[in-house]
Amino acid sequence: DQQVKQNSPSLSVQEGRISILNCDYTNSMFDYFLWYKKYPAEGPTFLISISSIKDKNEDGRFTVFLNKSAKHLSLHIVPSQPGDSAVYFCAAGSSGSARQLTFGSGTQLTVLP
Amino acid sequence: EAGVTQFPSHSVIEKGQTVTLRCDPISGHDNLYWYRRVMGKEIKFLLHFVKESKQDESGMPNNRFLAERTGGTYSTLKVQPAELEDSGVYFCASRHTGYGYTFGSGTRLTVV
Repeated sequence: DQQVKQNSPSLSVQEGRISILNCDYTNSMFDYFLWYKKYPAEGPTFLISISSIKDKNEDGRFTVFLNKSAKHLSLHIVPSQPGDSAVYFCAAGSSGSARQLTFGSGTQLTVLP
Repeated sequence: EAGVTQFPSHSVIEKGQTVTLRCDPISGHDNLYWYRRVMGKEIKFLLHFVKESKQDESGMPNNRFLAERTGGTYSTLKVQPAELEDSGVYFCASRHTGYGYTFGSGTRLTVV
């Protein structure tokens, strides 16, 4: 049973517009959430994270929102650029689990020029 | 700083053969993790080393998988004998503190 779900396997947006990637989780013990970006033939690279004590974290064009009551988080990319085209993984962890991460299945983002 | 290095990048083996994957973590990172992505699905945890000790191996699929980290430096993951369902991309990651994982590029294993 997947504890972290990314229900959209793919998303296409126009360059300059906003990209919104969504993620849902079921485990209430998760207290830390991360987004990773993955290009083909490369490993995932860390993008942005958020602790459960916050509901928003911003880093440049990337903002992550956390809705604990709905067990939902989202990643907003504004403005989207063609170089943002990649697979985005949502991941969650619990401070009691030695930083082991549970990942979603990923969303392929394609930013069209 | 050198990143996490994995070798080989690709491996194609026949069912029943043995394959050994290697991971060199970032120097000084005591925490080393193995993850696997099968058939484009989620990236799943396999096991976690702290130095040379296995902290958590709850994600290992079965006893055909053996991981070692002798001396607390590099790690190997051996699959013996390999089955078709073992095909996937095996990622290694290392971490110093916090949640800051650094992943390697992965080893794509194909069992035919």
